[in-house]
Amino acid sequence: EAGVTQSPTHLIKTRGQQATLRCSPISGHTSVYWYQQALGLGLQFLLWYDEGEERNRGNFPPRFSGRQFPNYSSELNVNALELEDSALYLCASSSPGQVTGYEQYFGPGTRLTVT
Amino acid sequence: RKEVEQDPGPFNVPEGATVAFNCTYSNSASQSFFWYRQDCRKEPKLLMSVYSSGNEDGRFTAQLNRASQYISLLIRDSKLSDSATYLCVVNQGTYKYIFGTGTRLKVLA
Repeated sequence: EAGVTQSPTHLIKTRGQQATLRCSPISGHTSVYWYQQALGLGLQFLLWYDEGEERNRGNFPPRFSGRQFPNYSSELNVNALELEDSALYLCASSSPGQVTGYEQYFGPGTRLTVT
Repeated sequence: RKEVEQDPGPFNVPEGATVAFNCTYSNSASQSFFWYRQDCRKEPKLLMSVYSSGNEDGRFTAQLNRASQYISLLIRDSKLSDSATYLCVVNQGTYKYIFGTGTRLKVLA
């Protein structure tokens, strides 16, 4: 069974541009999570989608946004990129429709570099 | 106080040693708990869920102490390949997972 996939693997953008990152969850999973991990730091929760709706949002400015498609894949958009947005962006998925108790499985991440 | 706290380490241990990590959480209503392993510049991988009764998977044992609000991970007979950062994860319900910043383990030959 295929795991969580993310694209692209690497993304280089300049300050002020927009970045779009994509994630496909494990088949059968309807929850998708996005995290940011800056170099040397822990995972910071960004967004949580379930059944096409945004369920929760971390402490990030509105220029971080996303959506979940009917096939449960997801997209993270970062507008007006800043240098400090450079990080590894991780997507995870978990089993359908659960609020608690389900393990998350991570994709390999997209490494975003803003110059 | 942080919602989930871990000793960052590093814990440097010789091969074959037993090592234990703790992770404390502040919200007594936390509902489920997990340990993940993260290798350098890689994604976290689920190591094990932590059940109220404790659980074991080979050389790894996880325990939950709700009264003192911590979870633990014990690794027996450490291998070089166990070197990684171990992340504690707490689910507080209402679509909220909190990750600890991780404990770094180095197993030395």
